Amino acid sequence: DAGVTQSPTHLIKTRGQQVTLRCSPISGHKSVSWYQQVLGQGPQFIFQYYEKEERGRGNFPDRFSARQFPNYSSELNVNALLLGDSALYLCASIPRTSGGPDTQYFGPGTRLTVL
Amino acid sequence: AQSVTQLGSHVSVSEGALVLLRCNYSSSVPPYLFWYVQYPNQGLQLLLKYTSAATLVKGINGFEAEFKKSETSFHLTKPSAHMSDAAEYFCAVKGSTLGRLYFGRGTQLTVWP
Repeated sequence: DAGVTQSPTHLIKTRGQQVTLRCSPISGHKSVSWYQQVLGQGPQFIFQYYEKEERGRGNFPDRFSARQFPNYSSELNVNALLLGDSALYLCASIPRTSGGPDTQYFGPGTRLTVL
Repeated sequence: AQSVTQLGSHVSVSEGALVLLRCNYSSSVPPYLFWYVQYPNQGLQLLLKYTSAATLVKGINGFEAEFKKSETSFHLTKPSAHMSDAAEYFCAVKGSTLGRLYFGRGTQLTVWP
């Protein structure tokens, strides 16, 4: 079975531009979470989506938005890019939404560099 | 609120030596805890998770972790380090938002020959 896929793998943008990152979860998984990992730090939660609805949001500005499609794939959009948005963006695929300890399966990430 | 603290941003051991990576957690509810490993330029791979079924959790690649409620700790160990263990390790606790994990800052493990 295919794992979590993310595209593109690398991206270079300039300040003020907009970027869209894509994620396809593991087949059968209906929920995805997005994380930002700045160099030298642990991942920080941005969003969770389940059945096309936002189920959680981290402490990120409104420049960050996301959506989930009927096939459960997801896009993360970042507008008005800042230098500080340079990071590895990770997508996690989650089997279900429940109170249990569901494992989150991470994709390889998209490395965004803002110049 | 939930959080984790990883003590030691860098740990160096010789090949064959004991690996000990420290993690302390804070949680307002019984925690679900995870250890992930990240190799250079890759995503995160689950090593093991604590789900309250057993305090000693065995994971992949010979790693294990012990949940100690009295110490609010979930330290990761491996009896004998291998060169291939060199990577960054992250401890995480599940948040109240269902799909949210709170990660520590990570510990970079170096293994010397």
